[in-house]
Amino acid sequence: AQSVTQLGSHVSVSEGALVLLRCNYSSSVPPYLFWYVQYPNQGLQLLLKYTSAATLVKGINGFEAEFKKSETSFHLTKPSAHMSDAAEYFCAVIPNAGGTSYGKLTFGQGTILTVHP
Amino acid sequence: DAGVTQSPTHLIKTRGQQVTLRCSPKSGHDTVSWYQQALGQGPQFIFQYYEEEERQRGNFPDRFSGHQFPNYSSELNVNALLLGDSALYLCASSPRGGIGNQPQHFGDGTRLSIL
Repeated sequence: AQSVTQLGSHVSVSEGALVLLRCNYSSSVPPYLFWYVQYPNQGLQLLLKYTSAATLVKGINGFEAEFKKSETSFHLTKPSAHMSDAAEYFCAVIPNAGGTSYGKLTFGQGTILTVHP
Repeated sequence: DAGVTQSPTHLIKTRGQQVTLRCSPKSGHDTVSWYQQALGQGPQFIFQYYEEEERQRGNFPDRFSGHQFPNYSSELNVNALLLGDSALYLCASSPRGGIGNQPQHFGDGTRLSIL
């Protein structure tokens, strides 16, 4: 079964510092990959998705993620953290089964990002 | 353009009761998925509806059932509630049958508490 591992349940950075949130997937065929953000008492908002058009994917709010097949990873980065980035971040996958992939998202456990002034 | 809307936002029930949660998808979306998010965990897929039928199901008991209406809105029903059913229930919608990597848009969820 498809699984997603997010290394680090909590990440703390200073405002202006680099943000790096790690995500690894387990499948021989690269799945469809997504990053979502969840603010307190809200649903999930899509940050970016991997489409196979390019290994470096740019998303909203200055975030980007790089797909590395050899490492089965899809880590999320942002060059300079803002206070408003404090939230919980989820990596998620959908198995790439060609025309029979119907959007069953499997999520990682989440990483809570704290940004210090 | 309204996004995914869910109702109610909060709900308190007691063990053994039944509950119905409702979801209206984003305009133009035809596929609705439901997820359960327990405290401190990532969302878990419950099931997905397309063309008014359950197309996929996660590892949830038959106490969890659903429905999709002709206008694409959906309901999630849970019978014989257990304490462990306390969670945030999220609805997500996607366009074009949800095929492939169609992005899913989430509502703000219904917080269900079981006493």
